[in-house]
Amino acid sequence: AQTVTQSQPEMSVQEAETVTLSCTYDTSESDYYLFWYKQPPSRQMILVIRQEAYKQQNATENRFSVNFQKAAKSFSLKISDSQLGDAAMYFCAYTGANSKLTFGKGITLSVRP
Amino acid sequence: DAEITQSPRHKITETGRQVTLACHQTWNHNNMFWYRQDLGHGLRLIHYSYGVHDTNKGEVSDGYSVSRSNTEDLPLTLESAASSQTSVYFCASSSGTGMGWDIQYFGAGTRLSVL
Repeated sequence: AQTVTQSQPEMSVQEAETVTLSCTYDTSESDYYLFWYKQPPSRQMILVIRQEAYKQQNATENRFSVNFQKAAKSFSLKISDSQLGDAAMYFCAYTGANSKLTFGKGITLSVRP
Repeated sequence: DAEITQSPRHKITETGRQVTLACHQTWNHNNMFWYRQDLGHGLRLIHYSYGVHDTNKGEVSDGYSVSRSNTEDLPLTLESAASSQTSVYFCASSSGTGMGWDIQYFGAGTRLSVL
C-alpha cells in the first residue's frame, strides 16, 4: 500500500519570503502522479500543482514549484514571494493506477505580515 | 460551468439515526469518491465508484454505504450514526478516462456532527 508522510504539522513564513513544505511517499509502482492541494479556511480543496512521475522536469505554476526526487521518494513544495492568501493547510497526495488518492496528514502554513 | 456539489453543508444529528449526505457532479465523470477529514489524519477514503452500479470500500468504510444508480450522484449513507463519525466529509470526482492519474475535483464538504 502507498503511504504519504508530511512530518511537519505547522510552518510559518514572512510575507514575500520563500517557504518549502516537505513530503515523502512510499510506493512500489513505477507510474504515478503526485499532487499538492491547498485548503483555505473556506474548506475548499484546491489543486495547487501536480507532477507526473515519469517526467524529470519539476512542475511549476507561477509562484509554486516542486522539487521531485524520485529515487528518494521526496516531493516538496516551494512557495516563492509568499502572500497572506497563501495561509492555509496544504496536503501532499499520491495517485497510481487505481485512481485513488492517498493523502498526507497536512501542514498548516501561516504567513506573517 | 461543470461542478460538484454537496448537501447539506452542515448537519447535526443524533446517535443511532440514519443520515444521507448528497453528492452531485455535472462533469460527467466516471469516478466518484467519498473522504472524511479529521484533525491529525488528513483525508481518508471511505468509498469509491468507477461507474454506474460499481462501488468499492475504502480505508475507513465501516458504518458507511454508497450506491451509484447514475453517473451524476453518489450519496453516502451512515446507517446508524455514531459520535466517532463526527467529521468533515468530502466528495470528489475524476474523469476515469482509463489512466489512473486524472485530477480529482472536490466538493465544498459537509460538516457532520453526531450528538
